[in-house]
Amino acid sequence: ILNVEQSPQSLHVQEGDSTNFTCSFPSSNFYALHWYRWETAKSPEALFVMTLNGDEKKKGRISATLNTKEGYSYLYIKGSQPEDSATYLCPVQAGTALIFGKGTTLSVSS
Amino acid sequence: DGGITQSPKYLFRKEGQNVTLSCEQNLNHDAMYWYRQDPGQGLRLIYYSQIVNDFQKGDIAEGYSVSREKKESFPLTVTSAQKNPTAFYLCASSIPQGAVYGYTFGSGTRLTVV
Repeated sequence: ILNVEQSPQSLHVQEGDSTNFTCSFPSSNFYALHWYRWETAKSPEALFVMTLNGDEKKKGRISATLNTKEGYSYLYIKGSQPEDSATYLCPVQAGTALIFGKGTTLSVSS
Repeated sequence: DGGITQSPKYLFRKEGQNVTLSCEQNLNHDAMYWYRQDPGQGLRLIYYSQIVNDFQKGDIAEGYSVSREKKESFPLTVTSAQKNPTAFYLCASSIPQGAVYGYTFGSGTRLTVV
């Protein structure tokens, strides 16, 4: 069974801090890794889709890297803002379905 | 705007009753999925359907049933055989984009069984 691990499970930062999360996954039979941002009572919002070893994606203050050989991806948020408060998910695509970890919940205080 | 509609957002049922959760999409996506989330846990796959009139069990299908009579609709029935039905349920759909799939999610239904 494919297992996706995310760390930390939660963290609290001050506005303006930069932070990063880790997503670990089995490196064999890798198709793609997706990053989502999920706010309470809303639908998960797609951030990035990462497929190739060494991939680096950026969207504003958020960026992500992928290492398929060692089975991890990092998500970075530069200069955190209160609106970045959400749960961040990194499901791995297995066939057509996504396999999820528990997520990392970020809380940003102003 | 295209998207996925799950209704209702909150649902209460008495123990022993079957309940059906609705999921409708107007994205023309072929594949649809149901996930379940429990407190402190990740989303787990219940059932998925890659095409009309076909569906497969996910990791936790026991006590659930689905149908896929129309492309737009993928209702999930939580039967009385499901031992712990109280949970958050999330529906998704997807479309292939090369070897990768693009996914769209609903906003979920929180089911409470008393």
